Amino acid sequence: DAMVIQNPRYQVTQFGKPVTLSCSQTLNHNVMYWYQQKSSQAPKLLFHYYDKDFNNEADTPDNFQSRRPNTSFCFLDIRSPGLGDAAMYLCATSRASGGTTDTQYFGPGTRLTVL
Amino acid sequence: GQSLEQPSEVTAVEGAIVQINCTYQTSGFYGLSWYQQHDGGAPTFLSYNALDGLEETGRFSSFLSRSDSYGYLLLQELQMKDSASYFCAVSPKEGAGSYQLTFGKGTKLSVIP
Repeated sequence: DAMVIQNPRYQVTQFGKPVTLSCSQTLNHNVMYWYQQKSSQAPKLLFHYYDKDFNNEADTPDNFQSRRPNTSFCFLDIRSPGLGDAAMYLCATSRASGGTTDTQYFGPGTRLTVL
Repeated sequence: GQSLEQPSEVTAVEGAIVQINCTYQTSGFYGLSWYQQHDGGAPTFLSYNALDGLEETGRFSSFLSRSDSYGYLLLQELQMKDSASYFCAVSPKEGAGSYQLTFGKGTKLSVIP
């Protein structure tokens, strides 16, 4: 089945220790997104890739970086996690077809704990 | 920019009907989407209205009125498994990010026996 996969599902890291979250997709969608979601809040877009073009949200901290080595994979790097970065991180994909709203397909998320 | 308003919590009885409203302010958009998210799970697409009127998908229906900047999600024959958060979302019609979604803050639906 075509899907969006995130690994790991749960990640524990120490304050200030770099961590990388991964996302892969078999949908062959050209757009991949990273969202941060804290408890009882809406998903907050951090950045997205349209093909190879990286688009950063204005309020995304520099501590967050992303890489997309190919169509299928996208990584979220948190260079120096703080306690406030503990959250669920959601990866999503869509096929930007233009002229309409495209459905986004979400992965199951990675829950990050910062000790 | 875009902003969406929806109630933070709704409680309804199993078997009943519940309506979750969404009002929005946006300069232009293609349509209104609804996503469901269970606790600890990922958002999943439920419904999309590009045009005014009602869209029905099984027990779920969604409505849009562009003139009123208003939409709603209607859930019928509520089941316990419908307990989840429901988000309305729009994407802007102009700009480089016209395929992005802006989510409302979500409505937590609790279905009680």
